[in-house]
Amino acid sequence: DVKVTQSSRYLVKRTGEKVFLECVQDMDHENMFWYRQDPGLGLRLIYFSYDVKMKEKGDIPEGYSVSREKKERFSLILESASTNQTSMYLCASSLRQGDGYTFGSGTRLTVV
Amino acid sequence: QQQVKQSPQSLIVQKGGIPIINCAYENTAFDYFPWYQQFPGKGPALLIAIRPDVSEKKEGRFTISFNKSAKQFSLHIMDSQPGDSATYFCAARSGGGADGLTFGKGTHLIIQP
Repeated sequence: DVKVTQSSRYLVKRTGEKVFLECVQDMDHENMFWYRQDPGLGLRLIYFSYDVKMKEKGDIPEGYSVSREKKERFSLILESASTNQTSMYLCASSLRQGDGYTFGSGTRLTVV
Repeated sequence: QQQVKQSPQSLIVQKGGIPIINCAYENTAFDYFPWYQQFPGKGPALLIAIRPDVSEKKEGRFTISFNKSAKQFSLHIMDSQPGDSATYFCAARSGGGADGLTFGKGTHLIIQP
């Protein structure tokens, strides 16, 4: 089975800090995605990547950036964390465009 | 603008009943409609998916019904069990996968014993 591993289950950060959320997949998937999940809002796409060093904005990219230096790793960066970025962050991957996603277990980020 | 509208927000069904979750969309370019199941503390997992060239798809106790003209699709769970209690998300994607999935807001389903 494909495994998508998110480095932290829980994180607490202070307002203004630079935050890195890491995601690694172990099955050579081409595509990787970052979503945030909030109660009553479902999952919203932040950024995605179809190849190394390639990135595309999703629906809510403001306040975030991403990095994909290696195929298996996709990092989400909060340049200056704010309280409205408190959320569950989910990473996903897929083998090819058009395939179903495999999600990680999520990182619950609290910004205080 | 919400591109995929999901209802109801929450649903309680007795064991053995058939919960039905509905989704509607506007974008006629959508060509792939998956459903995901999420248990507490876990990421969503792909449950079943359909493409618009068929009107129904069954996998075990889970069935998707698809109405292209009405731009609606729904998930039915036959002989529901307490273990089916979870949050369910519908989603849609266009362009052969060139864009990420757009998700509904989710339905919190409880199956009572």
